[in-house]
Amino acid sequence: DVKVTQSSRYLVKRTGEKVFLECVQDMDHENMFWYRQDPGLGLRLIYFSYDVKMKEKGDIPEGYSVSREKKERFSLILESASTNQTSMYLCASRDLSGGKHYEQYFGPGTRLTVT
Amino acid sequence: AQSVTQLGSHVSVSEGALVLLRCNYSSSVPPYLFWYVQYPNQGLQLLLKYTSAATLVKGINGFEAEFKKSETSFHLTKPSAHMSDAAEYFCAVSESNRLAFGKGNQVVVIP
Repeated sequence: DVKVTQSSRYLVKRTGEKVFLECVQDMDHENMFWYRQDPGLGLRLIYFSYDVKMKEKGDIPEGYSVSREKKERFSLILESASTNQTSMYLCASRDLSGGKHYEQYFGPGTRLTVT
Repeated sequence: AQSVTQLGSHVSVSEGALVLLRCNYSSSVPPYLFWYVQYPNQGLQLLLKYTSAATLVKGINGFEAEFKKSETSFHLTKPSAHMSDAAEYFCAVSESNRLAFGKGNQVVVIP
């Protein structure tokens, strides 16, 4: 079975702290994604990674950075957390092998609260 | 850029009644389309997908969706709602290397 795990389900941080959200997939997928989910706005793409050490900005990259040193791990970094970054963060990975047609597999999410 | 429209952020349906969630997309190329479901406090799970094969697609938990190119639609249906169908549902369209998601429908099932 496909497995995407995220380091924390719930996280509370203070304004100005540096925050790391970790995502690990065990399926050898090349592509990985970070989204944030807010009520009424659906899922918005923050960053994605084609492969190790490769990254591309999504629709809302401001205030975030990412790191992908190993194929299975994709980290989202909030350099200086702010209250408007309080949200649900979802990680996903994608299988590019034949027949999968861009289907993404999602982790359980991390609900981050910044106070 | 491709986009997805889902109308009605909250949808109430009686137990045993038809579930109908509408999704319209815009795409300049033949699309791949997806419906995902999110149960409370969980990530997204794939319900079904359209990949240019059959226009009527069957998914898990009794859901199905029909691709209509002339209407640029991919509406999701289930003949008889169950209490366990209470969740948020997202339609998505493939956009080069990523998915573009609609804003979602929160489905409430009334006993």
